[in-house]
Amino acid sequence: NSKVIQTPRYLVKGQGQKAKMRCIPEKGHPVVFWYQQNKNNEFKFLINFQNQEVLQQIDMTEKRFSAECPSNSPCSLEIQSSEAGDSALYLCASSLSSTGQLYFGEGSKLTVL
Amino acid sequence: QQKVQQSPESLSVPEGGMASLNCTSSDRNFQYFWWYRQHSGEGPKALMSIFSDGDKKEGRFTAHLNKASLHVSLHIRDSQPSDSALYFCAASGLTGNTGKLIFGLGTTLQVQP
Repeated sequence: NSKVIQTPRYLVKGQGQKAKMRCIPEKGHPVVFWYQQNKNNEFKFLINFQNQEVLQQIDMTEKRFSAECPSNSPCSLEIQSSEAGDSALYLCASSLSSTGQLYFGEGSKLTVL
Repeated sequence: QQKVQQSPESLSVPEGGMASLNCTSSDRNFQYFWWYRQHSGEGPKALMSIFSDGDKKEGRFTAHLNKASLHVSLHIRDSQPSDSALYFCAASGLTGNTGKLIFGLGTTLQVQP
């Protein structure tokens, strides 16, 4: 059973709506990753954090994506204005170190109508 | 072009048989390899990692890495119906390693009872 908790499991949004997903990493894991998995099974790395600080992120020049991992609160990934192409499974993973094994959650499946 | 390429796209083996999955990287910076398995409706789970040339065995699973050819394989002996899943090869690099994994597009394994 996955110890990385992602909510919600499913969300349906209209185009232009905001979509927010949350992730509680496994206890004691300081590193958190967000990946997007599309219907063709392509994984796209979005961002990773270590102790609330961003380690690496893709060029979010669209500015529609934002993420944070505040201390003592769930991590979150937010899409400001959803587009049809954002429909995908958003996976959160945590790890003991930036180069260690990733422990994935079940994912949040976003459908943009 | 995918930096991590997997073959075959799909594979069917009888219960008790041997399944062999392949993965090749086109980037010499990629030196660390992982195999992840994803059952339908779940997040990926790590099967094993391999960082050194040669074989690594964990139970029914054996991974083989050839760094010179950047080829890694996964062999599953005594395949079980519960092994039916999507298998991903993932790689990360040496330099500037923040833990970002590059995933292949996966191999779908079907174990026939």
